[in-house]
Amino acid sequence: DAGVTQSPTHLIKTRGQQVTLRCSPKSGHDTVSWYQQALGQGPQFIFQYYEEEERQRGNFPDRFSGHQFPNYSSELNVNALLLGDSALYLCASSITYRGSEAFFGQGTRLTVV
Amino acid sequence: GDSVTQMEGPVTLSEEAFLTINCTYTATGYPSLFWYVQYPGEGLQLLLKATKADDKGSNKGFEATYRKETTSFHLEKGSVQVSDSAVYFCALSWNTGNQFYFGTGTSLTVIP
Repeated sequence: DAGVTQSPTHLIKTRGQQVTLRCSPKSGHDTVSWYQQALGQGPQFIFQYYEEEERQRGNFPDRFSGHQFPNYSSELNVNALLLGDSALYLCASSITYRGSEAFFGQGTRLTVV
Repeated sequence: GDSVTQMEGPVTLSEEAFLTINCTYTATGYPSLFWYVQYPGEGLQLLLKATKADDKGSNKGFEATYRKETTSFHLEKGSVQVSDSAVYFCALSWNTGNQFYFGTGTSLTVIP
């Protein structure tokens, strides 16, 4: 079992550009959540996808959007990048009806210059 | 709203010392509580959890007890090792949603 895999591992983008991050959930998991972890901080919830729909959303602007595919994999898109978007982006997968445990990927380190 | 507060770091201990990292939460009701660990350059790994009051989670020598009276979930280990050096995050979640609320993390360094 490969666990939760994210790509790419590292990414450098210029302010104003757009970026797409990808996540493949752990086998058997149907729910994907995305978190932003700024340097020295705890992860902050961005949104969660289940059955290809956004089910919950944290306090992030509309520049952050996502998608879930029929195979449960997911993408996080960020438009009009700001310097403050530089962070580690973590994907977590879980099984909806066993609610309380999630498995995290290693993250994508995004640097906006 | 829901939130988690954990003790400020960094924490530096000698090998075999006793570890306590304090964590308190604010929530309406009784969420599940977790400790996650993050090693350098890696994502988060679940260390232990407790899903109801008075439950004790334990793993790899670490323990934490869910105390509803004090809304706390302090992490303890009797004898730390160099390999325990990492950042530790306390978190809460509601069973139906899987959204986690994390503390700011406590960096632990264990020196030989």
